[in-house]
Amino acid sequence: DAKTTQPPSMDCAEGRAANLPCNHSTISGNEYVYWYRQIHSQGPQYIIHGLKNNETNEMASLIITEDRKSSTLILPHATLRDTAVYYCIVRVENDYKLSFGAGTTVTVRA
Amino acid sequence: DARVTQTPRHKVTEMGQEVTMRCQPILGHNTVFWYRQTMMQGLELLAYFRNRAPLDDSGMPKDRFSAEMPDATLATLKIQPSEPRDSAVYFCASGPRTGRNTGELFFGEGSRLTVL
Repeated sequence: DAKTTQPPSMDCAEGRAANLPCNHSTISGNEYVYWYRQIHSQGPQYIIHGLKNNETNEMASLIITEDRKSSTLILPHATLRDTAVYYCIVRVENDYKLSFGAGTTVTVRA
Repeated sequence: DARVTQTPRHKVTEMGQEVTMRCQPILGHNTVFWYRQTMMQGLELLAYFRNRAPLDDSGMPKDRFSAEMPDATLATLKIQPSEPRDSAVYFCASGPRTGRNTGELFFGEGSRLTVL
């Protein structure tokens, strides 16, 4: 019962912005959108999350559409170290569980 | 720099042997999770604890897996007896107590288990 849909893979050029899409058309009003990434041979790493407003932190920006049915994670200046699998996850606040799908394999090329 | 610590990082064992993986969550975090990752299944949630009490272990094979938190600084995942299909990377994660950041889980580096 996948709650999110992401493209399986994408490439981007080093130094350019990487825009990662995620569809979550069945999202409920109390569900947040979370993004994690997993660099090869490491544990997943939290990136950012949001409910309905756009969010920005030192790692990325999260743009959520007004109807909340989709979102985009933006890595403003991709580096080779951003090569990873990126997971978009929908989660009810305080549910404590995070369910990971297949994610998007992002390859940053020099 | 607070981090989740897992041991062992690598374990090779023979089928039928007992395997115990340990996790030290970040001090002050009250939720602890065990995930398993394989190429075929991806990241699967096995069990999670809040305030040391198991909240959900429905993802674990009950006949051979057990998860406990003897105290707030230690979580264990035990497999007895181990089977080749248990070969995977096992991740432990911990999360903060309350507030809007409860979904910000911190993962350890994982324990890579190979059962021959």
